[in-house]
Amino acid sequence: EAQVTQNPRYLITVTGKKLTVTCSQNMNHEYMSWYRQDPGLGLRQIYYSMNVEVTDKGDVPEGYKVSRKEKRNFPLILESPSPNQTSLYFCASSSPSRTSAFEQFFGPGTRLTVL
Amino acid sequence: DAKTTQPTSMDCAEGRAANLPCNHSTISGNEYVYWYRQIHSQGPQYIIHGLKNNETNEMASLIITEDRKSSTLILPHATLRDTAVYYCIVRVRDSRAGNNRKLIWGLGTSLAVNP
Repeated sequence: EAQVTQNPRYLITVTGKKLTVTCSQNMNHEYMSWYRQDPGLGLRQIYYSMNVEVTDKGDVPEGYKVSRKEKRNFPLILESPSPNQTSLYFCASSSPSRTSAFEQFFGPGTRLTVL
Repeated sequence: DAKTTQPTSMDCAEGRAANLPCNHSTISGNEYVYWYRQIHSQGPQYIIHGLKNNETNEMASLIITEDRKSSTLILPHATLRDTAVYYCIVRVRDSRAGNNRKLIWGLGTSLAVNP
């Protein structure tokens, strides 16, 4: 089954404790992206990756890191989490090689609480 | 960047057609209109997209006005499972990266399908 998986689905942590949220897709997609979703603000892009070893900042990259060593994986790293990073996080993937269709497939989400 | 305007919320009776409007008056000629939906904090799900012509798939129909300044998503026979937030999104080219097709997410329309 074609899918995007994220782990963990729920996480409660404390300020300053490094964490990683994993994202994996099995569709051989080149493009992957991380979003956060907060009430009243909609989905905002954190980082994206056009392909292996190619990453770039989205709209709200501060406090986050990513890496893309393999095509299928795109982990999101919070080196020193703070309470303002409490949010619902989504990973998405897509294959931009099709010029007209840029359908993004989303993971189930990770709800992060930073105390 | 092209933006979209959608009503905050709508109601629909089960079994009836749900017509969700979207205004995108600043859309450029080569920008597509995408519709996604999000059911109760799950990952957003792609529904349909279009450029100029009306489109139909197994989930919905998309009607785009001739001037392309607005569109309507039609769910022909809404069910309770269609209760969700529906996002109308215009695909833009990210000025920071030539190939990135960033989706700009608004707050969507919260559709309630009532029995």
